[in-house]
Amino acid sequence: GDSVTQMEGPVTLSEEAFLTINCTYTATGYPSLFWYVQYPGEGLQLLLKATKADDKGSNKGFEATYRKETTSFHLEKGSVQVSDSAVYFCALSPGGGDYKLSFGAGTTVTVRA
Amino acid sequence: DADVTQTPRNRITKTGKRIMLECSQTKGHDRMYWYRQDPGLGLRLIYYSFDVKDINKGEISDGYSVSRQAQAKFSLSLESAIPNQTALYFCATSDLRPGLNTDTQYFGPGTRLTVL
Repeated sequence: GDSVTQMEGPVTLSEEAFLTINCTYTATGYPSLFWYVQYPGEGLQLLLKATKADDKGSNKGFEATYRKETTSFHLEKGSVQVSDSAVYFCALSPGGGDYKLSFGAGTTVTVRA
Repeated sequence: DADVTQTPRNRITKTGKRIMLECSQTKGHDRMYWYRQDPGLGLRLIYYSFDVKDINKGEISDGYSVSRQAQAKFSLSLESAIPNQTALYFCATSDLRPGLNTDTQYFGPGTRLTVL
C-alpha cells in the first residue's frame, strides 16, 4: 500500500541555520503530497502541499518540490527561527477519489536562539 | 472560535471503562476522520465518515467504534479501554465539494487519553 518515510529526528538547529527534512513515498497512482506542522500543544495544520510532479509548495519560508523521479518531497527552509520549533509530518493522499492521508512518523525540530 | 473542536482535551481513565471522545466542526465539511498519534508512528487512521450515513474503518479500528450524529459531529468510543489505547487522538475534517481543496484535512487540537 501507499506509505511515507521521513527522516528520523530529533533535529536541533541554531537560529538562521538551514533546515532540510527528507521525505520519500511509495504510491501506485498519482498522489498529492503534504507537509503538516504540529506546534507544541496544538493540532496539525497544513504547511504546504503539491498535487502533481514538479510542483513546488511553499509557505512561511518553507519549500518542497514534488519529485516523481526520486519519489521525494523534501522540506527545506533557508533560515530557521525559534518559532519554527515543531513536529513536521510528511503525508500523502492517493488521489483518484481516495482522500485518506498516510503520514510519516514525524520529525521533531528544535531551534535554539 | 476554533473550526474543529474536541472534548475533552485530557482524560485519564481506568482499564475496562467506556470512554467517548467528541468532535464538532463549524466548517460545514462532510468528511470527518479520527486518528491516533503515537510517538514514532505518526498518525494512524481509526475511522472515517464521508457523510452522516457513511462510516468506514481505517487501519486500526479494532477496539474502537464511532457515531456520526450529524454533519457537524463525529464521536469516537472505546467500549472497554485498555492501556495500549493511551495516545493522543485527533479529529479532522475535509471538504467534499470539488475544487475546494478536497484533499486538505483540518485538524482539531487533540485529546490526550491515558488508560491506567
